[in-house]
Amino acid sequence: AQSVTQPDIHITVSEGASLELRCNYSYGATPYLFWYVQSPGQGLQLLLKYFSGDTLVQGIKGFEAEFKRSQSSFNLRKPSVHWSDAAEYFCAVAARGNTGKLIFGQGTTLQVKP
Amino acid sequence: EAGVAQSPRYKIIEKRQSVAFWCNPISGHATLYWYQQILGQGPKLLIQFQNNGVVDDSQLPKDRFSAERLKGVDSTLKIQPAKLEDSAVYLCASSLGDHSYNEQFFGPGTRLTVL
Repeated sequence: AQSVTQPDIHITVSEGASLELRCNYSYGATPYLFWYVQSPGQGLQLLLKYFSGDTLVQGIKGFEAEFKRSQSSFNLRKPSVHWSDAAEYFCAVAARGNTGKLIFGQGTTLQVKP
Repeated sequence: EAGVAQSPRYKIIEKRQSVAFWCNPISGHATLYWYQQILGQGPKLLIQFQNNGVVDDSQLPKDRFSAERLKGVDSTLKIQPAKLEDSAVYLCASSLGDHSYNEQFFGPGTRLTVL
């Protein structure tokens, strides 16, 4: 069955520290991969996506993610976290083709300490 | 450019009552999605429209949930009768087309509480 796992439900980091959020997927073929951020009371916003090519992708707000086929992973990173990055982060996958359906992980809540 | 609009933002109802949510997608977007996000979980697709036709409703509980997009623009999602387990945030999203590489833009959601 297709699934996305985010092993960390809650992460706390100090402002200015580096961040890595983990994402593993189970899929028949390499899917399209996405990271979304959800701030309180707001809709989901796309941070970055991977379709093909370079396995290190850059996104908005200084985030990047690395696709590792051998590990079925797509971890999100940021070198220096800002207090405004506190939010919930979702990893998602979609099958290649005319489907559009996103399958989300359960999310990781990021807390930033001053 | 205006984003995806949803109303109401919050709704509290008693179980067995009915409720309806409204979504206005971004202008020109042919594909519209309804997702259900239960507290502590990621969003789950309920139904996907391409213009006014249903593409995927495999996870829609059809005995109580219904959705329509009559003119290929606005959409409504209805629950009748509601159950306690329907308490969730209902997210609407839209995209230019139904290919997976089309970015989905999400509305702010409707938070439903069923008492």
